Amino acid sequence: QVQLQESGPGLVKPSETLSLTCSVSGGSISRYFWSWIRQPAGKGLEWIGRLYPNGSTNYNPSLKTRVTLSVDTSKNQFSLKLNSVTAADTAVYYCGRDVGGSGLIDYWGQGTLVTVSS
Amino acid sequence: IVLTQSPATLSLSPGERATLSCRASQSIANYLAWHQHKPGQAPRLLIFDASNRATGTPARFSGSGSGTDFTLTISSLEPEDFAVYYCQQRSNWLTFGGGTKVEI
Repeated sequence: QVQLQESGPGLVKPSETLSLTCSVSGGSISRYFWSWIRQPAGKGLEWIGRLYPNGSTNYNPSLKTRVTLSVDTSKNQFSLKLNSVTAADTAVYYCGRDVGGSGLIDYWGQGTLVTVSS
Repeated sequence: IVLTQSPATLSLSPGERATLSCRASQSIANYLAWHQHKPGQAPRLLIFDASNRATGTPARFSGSGSGTDFTLTISSLEPEDFAVYYCQQRSNWLTFGGGTKVEI
């Protein structure tokens, strides 16, 4: 059974960089595609980007200039960095497994709330 | 692609039938999934490719539709089914609907 767990600071200051990690258990991270998704309070879910097994990436065009996804196979983890954050980036952030890079999310983490505030 | 879910809230009793709708702003063939989300838990994939139940999804959940109009039906609500349901398309990147809350 694949399990995902997000971790990282719950509070980030405006203009700084939001950094989150997703730890994967129950499977090798290097064999699959992975995505990040977020949900601002009271709003819908927004896909952030996808990480390929070879380290390639796809990003949501609306966030592309500020997002970096990366993988650490030695720790079975992958990461999200979002720079120049504002209050609009306050959200619950989820990581998920993306089946074959098809966009089908078959496993999700529980999510972690990140608040952007000074 | 914008996904519009209706209704926003569905108030039903255990044992009743729930019908949730998801409409896409353009055709997405059958590239639609349904996810269930309960507070404090990870969302859970229920249905993929419009009508295929994911592993572990009870038979009371069924999905239908193609093109722009999709439906998730729960034939007889169990207490554990009260949750928020999101549709998600993967025809053009990924987008999600706004959710339908099924409440008691």
